[in-house]
Amino acid sequence: AQSVTQPDIHITVSEGASLELRCNYSYGATPYLFWYVQSPGQGLQLLLKYFSGDTLVQGIKGFEAEFKRSQSSFNLRKPSVHWSDAAEYFCAVGRAAGNKLTFGGGTRVLVKP
Amino acid sequence: GAGVSQSPSNKVTEKGKDVELRCDPISGHTALYWYRQSLGQGLEFLIYFQGNSAPDKSGLPSDRFSAERTGGSVSTLTIQRTQQEDSAVYLCASSLDGGGPNEQFFGPGTRLTVL
Repeated sequence: AQSVTQPDIHITVSEGASLELRCNYSYGATPYLFWYVQSPGQGLQLLLKYFSGDTLVQGIKGFEAEFKRSQSSFNLRKPSVHWSDAAEYFCAVGRAAGNKLTFGGGTRVLVKP
Repeated sequence: GAGVSQSPSNKVTEKGKDVELRCDPISGHTALYWYRQSLGQGLEFLIYFQGNSAPDKSGLPSDRFSAERTGGSVSTLTIQRTQQEDSAVYLCASSLDGGGPNEQFFGPGTRLTVL
């Protein structure tokens, strides 16, 4: 069965500093991988996705993620965070048949001024 | 509409009552998903529709939960004889189809509180 682990429940970062959110997955084949963001009171918004090709993918809002098959990881990064990046971030894995998503537990990001 | 819409946005009910939650997907999206977000369980898949058929119902937690989709569009999730553990935010998502890594667009959710 597929599973996703986000080891960090909370991360606090200063505005302007870099951010990296960890994601490890377990899946028997090449997965589809996604990062979603959920701002307070808002729905989930897709930041980026990976399904094949270049292992470094660019997303919206200045985010990028790198797929590392050998480490079963798909970490999310941003070079310089803005106060508006304070939100909860979810990593998810999908599969070809139906593409139902399995989510990690989420990482809540707090941005200090 | 431009996005996925869900109604009601909030629902408070008494234990033992039935509730219906509605989802209007993005026009033209053939795949529709229901997920549940709760403090204890995180984000969980419930059911997937392709058109009006539900090839994957594996996430429905009990036979009190059912869902249907009509006309390849609107979907209704029904919870019978609600229990307090059913309290959660129920999220609906739609995508162009379920055959590949298509983006799932999420609605704002229905917050269900069972007293």
